[in-house]
Order: sequence, then C-alpha cells, then structure tokens
Amino acid sequence: AQKVTQAQTEISVVEKEDVTLDCVYETRDTTYYLFWYKQPPSGELVFLIRRNSFDEQNEISGRYSWNFQKSTSSFNFTITASQVVDSAVYFCALTGGGSGGYQKVTFGTGTKLQVIP
Amino acid sequence: SAVISQKPSRDICQRGTSLTIQCQVDSQVTMMFWYRQQPGQSLTLIATANQGSEATYESGFVIDKFPISRPNLTFSTLTVSNMSPEDSSIYLCSVEDPLLGANVLTFGAGSRLTVL
Repeated sequence: AQKVTQAQTEISVVEKEDVTLDCVYETRDTTYYLFWYKQPPSGELVFLIRRNSFDEQNEISGRYSWNFQKSTSSFNFTITASQVVDSAVYFCALTGGGSGGYQKVTFGTGTKLQVIP
Repeated sequence: SAVISQKPSRDICQRGTSLTIQCQVDSQVTMMFWYRQQPGQSLTLIATANQGSEATYESGFVIDKFPISRPNLTFSTLTVSNMSPEDSSIYLCSVEDPLLGANVLTFGAGSRLTVL
C-alpha cells in the first residue's frame, strides 16, 4: 500500500521568509511518481511538479525548489522569499509507475501555509 | 492543460435531498475522476468514470449514494443522493492531463456543498 505523510498541518511565516514543506512517502513500487499540488483559498488544485523515482536531481523553478531523497523517502518543497500569494494548502502525492496506464493517486493530508504580510 | 468547468460552485442543501454536480472538460478524455474533500481534510477518490461503462467506485462509496453518469468523452455528472450533514464537502472533478505528464491531474474548481 502507498502512503504519503505530511506531518506539518499548518505553518505560518512572515513574508520574505523561506519555508520548507515536508513530505515523506511509503511505497513498494520500484518505479513511482511524486507530485506537489497547490490549493489556494479559491479551492482549485493546481499542479506544481512531478518527479520520477529514477530522477533524484533537485529542481528549482523560480522561488520554488524541490529536494527528492530516496534514501529517506522524502520529497520536500521549499519556497524562498515567501509571498502572501503563496498562502494555500499544499498537497504532496504519490502514484505507482506501472506501465498499465493511469495509476491511482495517493494524496497526503496537506500542509496549510499562511504567509503573513 | 485541460480546462475543467464544474457547477454548481457551491450550494446549500436540505437534508434528504439530492444534488447533481456537472463537470465539463474542454477536450476528450478517457477517464474522469470524482474526489471528495471534507473540511480540512485530504482528497478521497470517490469513483472513476469511464465513457460507455459503469463507474468504478472506491471502497466506502456506493452507486446508490453517488450515482455517476458519463454520456460522452467530455462530460460527467456526480449526484449526491439523500444528503445528510456528513456529506458537506467539496466535490472535485479531475482528469489525467497528458500535456502535463503521466498521472498528472487537472482539477475543476470544485463544488462546495453544505447540507443543513
């Protein structure tokens, strides 16, 4: 069975601070995908990133960066110089990487980030 | 990426009534997914809607309570039947978006239901 744990329920930071959202996963699959989604107060989930289990390179996109470490089964998400617009609930997610088409997504419980101006 | 229109965006319903949520995608997709997000909780998959066949329900969800239609490759409906306050949730429609990558989901804005 697959499991995604986001131990941080809520985080508050002051604008311009850096913040890291933790994600720990469990899977028996040798091939899998990891994801981050953002759910702003408006409610619509927005895809941020997908990472293949074979690709452990960290990724940076603007103020966002992701640290994938297989050894610790973690896929952490860092926002640099946070802004009020970053206030949202962030979900980490996991799927198997099987070749049989679409694989069901397992979502974590989410981390609510509040950026205080 | 795919664009999903979902309606109603929100509604307040009386106990015992039923409500149908509509989901329209701007491109043809094989599978459409219905999720429930209870207040402050994560997303739980209700069912997968395939065009031309019965929907596939996840454990804990049954067709009598959540009937689903999938008349074509761009549209689906989810009905929440005989509602109780416990059904107060956000219901989300989603599709796999191959333009974004395998297993990447695009979501509608959600339908926020409050049952009194």
